[in-house]
Amino acid sequence: DTGVSQNPRHKITKRGQNVTFRCDPISEHNRLYWYRQTLGQGPEFLTYFQNEAQLEKSRLLSDRFSAERPKGSFSTLEIQRTEQGDSAMYLCASSSRGGPSTDTQYFGPGTRLTVL
Amino acid sequence: AQSVTQLGSHVSVSEGALVLLRCNYSSSVPPYLFWYVQYPNQGLQLLLKYTTGATLVKGINGFEAEFKKSETSFHLTKPSAHMSDAAEYFCAVKNSGGYQKVTFGTGTKLQVIP
Repeated sequence: DTGVSQNPRHKITKRGQNVTFRCDPISEHNRLYWYRQTLGQGPEFLTYFQNEAQLEKSRLLSDRFSAERPKGSFSTLEIQRTEQGDSAMYLCASSSRGGPSTDTQYFGPGTRLTVL
Repeated sequence: AQSVTQLGSHVSVSEGALVLLRCNYSSSVPPYLFWYVQYPNQGLQLLLKYTTGATLVKGINGFEAEFKKSETSFHLTKPSAHMSDAAEYFCAVKNSGGYQKVTFGTGTKLQVIP
């Protein structure tokens, strides 16, 4: 169990550029989640995948945001035409379906995005 | 709909004193409740969770929480604070149905004074 990993850990970009983040979940976990956390706030749910299917999406996920999990393993979160308001920590989490740890989400270290 | 309210964005305790972090929730169905801890520039680590069964839940690092349905509360306690407990703590709720969305509170920063 190597934990949830996220890359890059930090990203600085200029307004209007596109950025993509990657999340590798714990290997046996079939559920994957993306959250956004701004300074002084708790994480806010963005979206959820079960295997490759995107089953839940928050209204926070505007049309500039897209998430994929093509083979049911790693996931990517892309933000197009970034805005300064997109500056935040983007957290990925994974969980298993069934077993004693079901419903427990394990978080990665996050990707901190700064939009200049 | 579900929501979480954490009373007190900052709490200070002396080393060795009782830690009490308050959390109240709102949920239209029986809730699953969680406490997570976050150290600076790191992700969240699960401290403990309540799903069903015993209402007093014990977690890691000596923390525990009690689910009180009548008070819609899930307060986090630790008998004796250590310097290493200084961090930010988040209470979270998930409904026990099929939806996977977890709603977090705004967090409480715990300061431990030597």
